Amino acid sequence: GNSVTQMEGPVTLSEEAFLTINCTYTATGYPSLFWYVQYPGEGLQLLLKATKADDKGSNKGFEATYRKETTSFHLEKGSVQVSDSAVYFCALLPTGNQFYFGTGTSLTVIP
Amino acid sequence: EAQVTQNPRYLITVTGKKLTVTCSQNMNHEYMSWYRQDPGLGLRQIYYSMNVEVTDKGDVPEGYKVSRKEKRNFPLILESPSPNQTSLYFCASSSDGTSGSYEQYFGPGTRLTVT
Repeated sequence: GNSVTQMEGPVTLSEEAFLTINCTYTATGYPSLFWYVQYPGEGLQLLLKATKADDKGSNKGFEATYRKETTSFHLEKGSVQVSDSAVYFCALLPTGNQFYFGTGTSLTVIP
Repeated sequence: EAQVTQNPRYLITVTGKKLTVTCSQNMNHEYMSWYRQDPGLGLRQIYYSMNVEVTDKGDVPEGYKVSRKEKRNFPLILESPSPNQTSLYFCASSSDGTSGSYEQYFGPGTRLTVT
C-alpha cells in the first residue's frame, strides 16, 4: 500500500545549524511528493513539492530532492532560523486523488 | 483574500449529539478534503471530493459523512459522535490534477472534543 515514514522528532537545533528531516515513502507508480509546514495554532502550508524523479523542490532556503531509487524525499536547510520552528510533514500523492501524510517532525530552533 | 474557512473553531459536545463542521473556500477549487490530526498519527484523510456531487472515502471515513452540493462548500457531518472522534480537524482545497499543482490550502482547524 501507500505510506510515508518520517523521521521521529522532536528535533532541537541551534540557530544557523544544518537541518535534515528524513522522509521515505512506499507507493506504486510515480507519485508526487510534498513538504508541508505547520506553525503553532495554524493550518498546514505547502513548503515545497516535486512531481517526478530527480526533481528538486525548493522554497525559503529549504530543499528536497525526489529520489526514486531510494524512495526518499529528505528535507534540508543549510542554516536554520528561530522562525523555522514548526512541525514539518512529508506527504505523498500516488496515482489517484488520495493524499498520505507522515506523522510530522517538530523542529525547535534556539537562539 | 484567498482562504479556506471552517466553523466552528472549537466545539465541545456529548456522545451521540449530531454535529456539522462547515468548510468553505473562495478559490474556485474543485478538490476539497477533510483530515483529522492526532498526536503520533499525523494527518489522516477522512473524505475527499473531486467536484460537486463526487465524494470518496479516505483512510478513516468511519463515523463521518460529507456532502458536496456546491463547489465552494464541503461540510463534515458526525451523526453520532463518539469520544474517539475527539481530534483536530482540517479542511483543505486545491486545484485539480490537470494543472499539476495539487497545492492544498488548509483551513485554520476545528478542535472537537466529544465527552
